[in-house]
Amino acid sequence: EVQLVESGGGLVQPGGSLRLSCAASGFTFSTVWMSWVRQAPGKGLEWVANIKEDGSDKYYVDSVKGRFTISRDNAKSSLYLQMNSLRAEDTAVYYCARGGYTYSLWGQGTLVTVSS
Amino acid sequence: EIVLTQSPGTLSLSPGERATLSCRASQTVYSNSLAWYQQKPGQAPRLLINGASSRAPGIPDRFSGTGSGTDFTLTISRLEPEDFAVYFCQQYGTTPLTFGQGTKLEIK
Repeated sequence: EVQLVESGGGLVQPGGSLRLSCAASGFTFSTVWMSWVRQAPGKGLEWVANIKEDGSDKYYVDSVKGRFTISRDNAKSSLYLQMNSLRAEDTAVYYCARGGYTYSLWGQGTLVTVSS
Repeated sequence: EIVLTQSPGTLSLSPGERATLSCRASQTVYSNSLAWYQQKPGQAPRLLINGASSRAPGIPDRFSGTGSGTDFTLTISRLEPEDFAVYFCQQYGTTPLTFGQGTKLEIK
């Protein structure tokens, strides 16, 4: 089955860290760009970061630059998002998505809540 | 950053009617790199249209996208009960990639 499954979300204090993971199956992961997109509760969608097939190029929205790092392990068909120095405004459902620019496949999302 | 403004915020229609959703960009969208997504409560978005007018695989032909430059439209020709959802436009021609705030299509 073609799917993406995120994990790693949870409650974290401001200034803390979390690492999100996304396990891909059913397609050739190493041949596609991948992205993270987030959605704050009751709000719209926000692109967070994307990464090239071989991991050589990575791009971020300004609000997470220097705090978040996107990476991938093609041998494990997995995508990651290391999130440091978390802020309340980072609270959102984080989706893993196939594609660098448009997203034809999404995971179910993992909720990250930043609160004391 | 390209700001996308969607209108109306909420659209109330009945099944069988035609829906017209608008997405206006603050500057020209490069190469008509505009996509539309549908999102139902508790679900991830689903890609409907990319390149402003190309339907994604498996999307019914009642969904169509038009427009260029700064003005884009998603039309649903005859609404089915399952079409009532929130719709987002997205531009992907310029980083940062940006989304509109959404149009909620509700049953009248």
